[in-house]
Amino acid sequence: KQEVTQIPAALSVPEGENLVLNCSFTDSAIYNLQWFRQDPGKGLTSLLLIQSSQREQTSGRLNASLDKSSGRSTLYIAASQPGDSATYLCAVIGEYGNKLVFGAGTILRVKS
Amino acid sequence: DGGITQSPKYLFRKEGQNVTLSCEQNLNHDAMYWYRQDPGQGLRLIYYSQIVNDFQKGDIAEGYSVSREKKESFPLTVTSAQKNPTAFYLCASSMFGEGTEAFFGQGTRLTVV
Repeated sequence: KQEVTQIPAALSVPEGENLVLNCSFTDSAIYNLQWFRQDPGKGLTSLLLIQSSQREQTSGRLNASLDKSSGRSTLYIAASQPGDSATYLCAVIGEYGNKLVFGAGTILRVKS
Repeated sequence: DGGITQSPKYLFRKEGQNVTLSCEQNLNHDAMYWYRQDPGQGLRLIYYSQIVNDFQKGDIAEGYSVSREKKESFPLTVTSAQKNPTAFYLCASSMFGEGTEAFFGQGTRLTVV
């Protein structure tokens, strides 16, 4: 059974800092890994999608990497801003069963 | 605009009642999913469907039922058998295979009164 773990559970940083969020998964037979953002009381917004054949994806100040063989992904946020404060979730979709399996998320607070 | 629409945004259920949450998508996606989110926790899969007229149980299906009569629609019924239904419910859809992105609705907050 696929299990996804996110570290740290919570993170508080001053504005302007670069930061890294970690995601690990137990079964490397995945199609994709996707990073989402969730604001309080809202649905999930897709940030980045990495296909299993890719090593990284970039969007603006966000960069996500994938090491499929070791079961790890990192989300790098450059020059953090208070507007980045949210919960960040990673999810993998497996080659078998097509179920999207989530980690518990990292709660990020960027202080101005 | 393409996307996923969940309704209602807020729903109140009395003890012993069944309630149905709506999820509609116009993205032409084959797969649809229902997740439950409790405060401070991640998303847990209730049911998912990969094709019309077929669906599979997720990790916490007890007390819930679904149908998939149309590609665009995947309603979730919270039955009276679900003893602790108060939660935030999220619907998602995607295509299959590598490179397919999942999209989410804005959620329905269900409260038992």
